[in-house]
Amino acid sequence: NAGVTQTPKFQVLKTGQSMTLQCAQDMNHEYMSWYRQDPGMGLRLIHYSVGAGITDQGEVPNGYNVSRSTTEDFPLRLLSAAPSQTSVYFCASRTQGRAEAFFGQGTRLTVV
Amino acid sequence: QQQVKQSPQSLIVQKGGISIINCAYENTAFDYFPWYQQFPGKGPALLIAIRPDVSEKKEGRFTISFNKSAKQFSLHIMDSQPGDSATYFCAASRMNTGFQKLVFGTGTRLLVSP
Repeated sequence: NAGVTQTPKFQVLKTGQSMTLQCAQDMNHEYMSWYRQDPGMGLRLIHYSVGAGITDQGEVPNGYNVSRSTTEDFPLRLLSAAPSQTSVYFCASRTQGRAEAFFGQGTRLTVV
Repeated sequence: QQQVKQSPQSLIVQKGGISIINCAYENTAFDYFPWYQQFPGKGPALLIAIRPDVSEKKEGRFTISFNKSAKQFSLHIMDSQPGDSATYFCAASRMNTGFQKLVFGTGTRLLVSP
């Protein structure tokens, strides 16, 4: 049972480049979400999804897009990377009716 | 605006001592308060959680104390061990939104010295 899998683990981008951070879960969880973790700021919610085809914005959505075409996958897209998006990104999933969120191991992104 | 304020930012405790981390929240609609533990290079993992109908919850060496009137809750780690060295995050959420949005504190880096 892999849980929540994020790829890649590390990525360096140049300003203006685009990329997709991948997140997959094999627990058949309805809810998935993306957080970014920055020093001194904890984890902040970027986008979340309550099921396939349904997404919504979190606390810091600007500069990021998401889609949810399947229950398993919830990719996060950076259309034009900026240095302010340098961060560690975590994907999490949760099943309906249960409060516990399961996190992936994170993607460390550096934008130069 | 930080909805959940956490302190201290860092903490050094001797092995066998008690580690105490405090959090305060503003939104009285919050009704689920978890603590997550994060080791370097890993994602956060749920450690223990409490709902406001109780004032304390204990699981092994970990205890959450909850003060609804003061809008504060804290994590106590008894008999702290070097293996407890990690970053701890408090968080808050709302049951009636299906726990959809976890609001995290800024984190406390705990170091337990041998």
